[in-house]
Amino acid sequence: KAGVTQTPRYLIKTRGQQVTLSCSPISGHRSVSWYQQTPGQGLQFLFEYFSETQRNKGNFPGRFSGRQFSNSRSEMNVSTLELGDSALYLCASSLLGSTHSYNEQFFGPGTRLTVL
Amino acid sequence: SQQGEEDPQALSIQEGENATMNCSYKTSINNLQWYRQNSGRGLVHLILIRSNEREKHSGRLRVTLDTSKKSSSLLITASRAADTASYFCATVLNNAGNMLTFGGGTRLMVKP
Repeated sequence: KAGVTQTPRYLIKTRGQQVTLSCSPISGHRSVSWYQQTPGQGLQFLFEYFSETQRNKGNFPGRFSGRQFSNSRSEMNVSTLELGDSALYLCASSLLGSTHSYNEQFFGPGTRLTVL
Repeated sequence: SQQGEEDPQALSIQEGENATMNCSYKTSINNLQWYRQNSGRGLVHLILIRSNEREKHSGRLRVTLDTSKKSSSLLITASRAADTASYFCATVLNNAGNMLTFGGGTRLMVKP
């Protein structure tokens, strides 16, 4: 099976712009979660989608949003980019939703976003 | 905010030595997981230990969990240069299986 894929791998934007990142989960996985990784704040949970519905949300401003399509592919969008949004954005897919606690998550390689 | 704190932040050892990393967390958990990350790439799941388990083994990895102290440790035995990576613990709360709360990580360097 192919792993989790994320596109693009690298992205450079300027402040005030918006960006859309894409994640394709492992075939058959219905849950996609997004994480932000920065040197200062570490790895932080953004949100989780399962069957096209947002199930959990982390403590991020409304500029961060996402969606999931019927084929389980997910996109996250960041509007009005700020310098502090520079980070590695990771998505992870899982077979089961969050009501099942013992889920192994499979991570993609990440999208490195740089905001100038 | 991070649920867990890891100790040490960085560790440098020689090949063949054992490496021990510790993780502490703040709230009651359903399970705790350890992940490895190579050079800013994606995370790889290593092992999951449930809250009612005390110790778990997987190959050269040994994980312990002490829920009374809210702490866990990861032991890598007979380390190899290929083990060089950052290691993160992540906690999971009940009914939030896909919402991982990560610690700050330990950067492990294994010198050949």
